[in-house]
Amino acid sequence: SQTIHQWPATLVQPVGSPLSLECTVEGTSNPNLYWYRQAAGRGLQLLFYSVGIGQISSEVPQNLSASRPQDRQFILSSKKLLLSDSGFYLCAWSEGVDYGYTFGSGTRLTVV
Amino acid sequence: AQRVTQPEKLLSVFKGAPVELKCNYSYSGSPELFWYVQYSRQRLQLLLRHISRESIKGFTADLNKGETSFHLKKPFAQEEDSAMYYCALSGRSNYQLIWGAGTKLIIKP
Repeated sequence: SQTIHQWPATLVQPVGSPLSLECTVEGTSNPNLYWYRQAAGRGLQLLFYSVGIGQISSEVPQNLSASRPQDRQFILSSKKLLLSDSGFYLCAWSEGVDYGYTFGSGTRLTVV
Repeated sequence: AQRVTQPEKLLSVFKGAPVELKCNYSYSGSPELFWYVQYSRQRLQLLLRHISRESIKGFTADLNKGETSFHLKKPFAQEEDSAMYYCALSGRSNYQLIWGAGTKLIIKP
């Protein structure tokens, strides 16, 4: 069966420090991969998605970037964190959008 | 434009009462619709899909194309139903789901 792993679960980082959040999927190949930010009362905001290795689509201009170095690995990064980057980040995968998404457990990022 | 609207940010009902979480969509075509649920300290998970026509945990949702709605219903709410609920739409034209803003459901004892 397919599983998705996301880590770390929580992270406290100072302003200006780099960021790397990792997401891996097991039990499937060539999944569509997604990074979302979830804000209280504001729903889910799609940050990036990828349909294949090295293919990244960005939905909103931001201080973050994403990479997909391997088929089942998706990384969310920043060179210098801002206070406004604080939030709850979710990784998800899908074998096709009509099947819906499967989400990771999320990372609570606090930038101080 | 494709859009999903959940008009209630917060819905509070008593245990045993019926629940209806509203979802309206805007889409020129035949959408695929989903309800997702996030219980406290758990990951966001798929509750049900329109195409499956399933009943999960007593919840059902019927697609009403005339009213462009996909409301989530349960005849008798239980305390464990307290959670955040999201409605989402697949437009089939790209790789993304279009999300509503979510409704927080609180079931009072």
